Amino acid sequence: DAKTTQPPSMDCAEGRAANLPCNHSTISGNEYVYWYRQIHSQGPQYIIHGLKNNETNEMASLIITEDRKSSTLILPHATLRDTAVYYCIVRVVPSGYALNFGKGTSLLVTP
Amino acid sequence: KAGVTQTPRYLIKTRGQQVTLSCSPISGHRSVSWYQQTPGQGLQFLFEYFSETQRNKGNFPGRFSGRQFSNSRSEMNVSTLELGDSALYLCASSLVQGAANGELFFGEGSRLTVL
Repeated sequence: DAKTTQPPSMDCAEGRAANLPCNHSTISGNEYVYWYRQIHSQGPQYIIHGLKNNETNEMASLIITEDRKSSTLILPHATLRDTAVYYCIVRVVPSGYALNFGKGTSLLVTP
Repeated sequence: KAGVTQTPRYLIKTRGQQVTLSCSPISGHRSVSWYQQTPGQGLQFLFEYFSETQRNKGNFPGRFSGRQFSNSRSEMNVSTLELGDSALYLCASSLVQGAANGELFFGEGSRLTVL
């Protein structure tokens, strides 16, 4: 699977949009971009995924560049409960779940 | 519906012992994956099971083993425990194996401490 690069940490003020970038410059055509997050001491939680089109669900939006070499996860109105480690993962489909979580981005939402 | 259930949640063992961890997936889910999480190495894939067959295995020594039963419940075993095996062991289940929209649902984990 392609390697991803994320900033180690980010801050965001409560109520503002949190924009978390991910670089996946070696992504191939059959690889999807997935985002998970892990709140302290809990198991990771699925957020969203996409192939090449922008995606939105009740939790977040995923913006994938046209060349698919990078993406941005957007939390439109961050709350304190969004403080977590966010993982950007590239996964070949179809395939199993041997996911490479990497180090992720530690997002701190401040009051 | 109930989420992924892992037991025990916490356990303490000594070096050289063995441990068995259990995972009950979400009802109807047939794919179960195991991950190890440590502060130094982060989340690392251990193995994946689907329909009682191991489909993928991570880069871990043979002391780490697992199995899946006909009801999709899974167990993992670590023999001859070492201090470095202290970690949070996470189990995740999915409805199907490999589908693009096959998100993983994680349990709360089993925290193992090896003394």
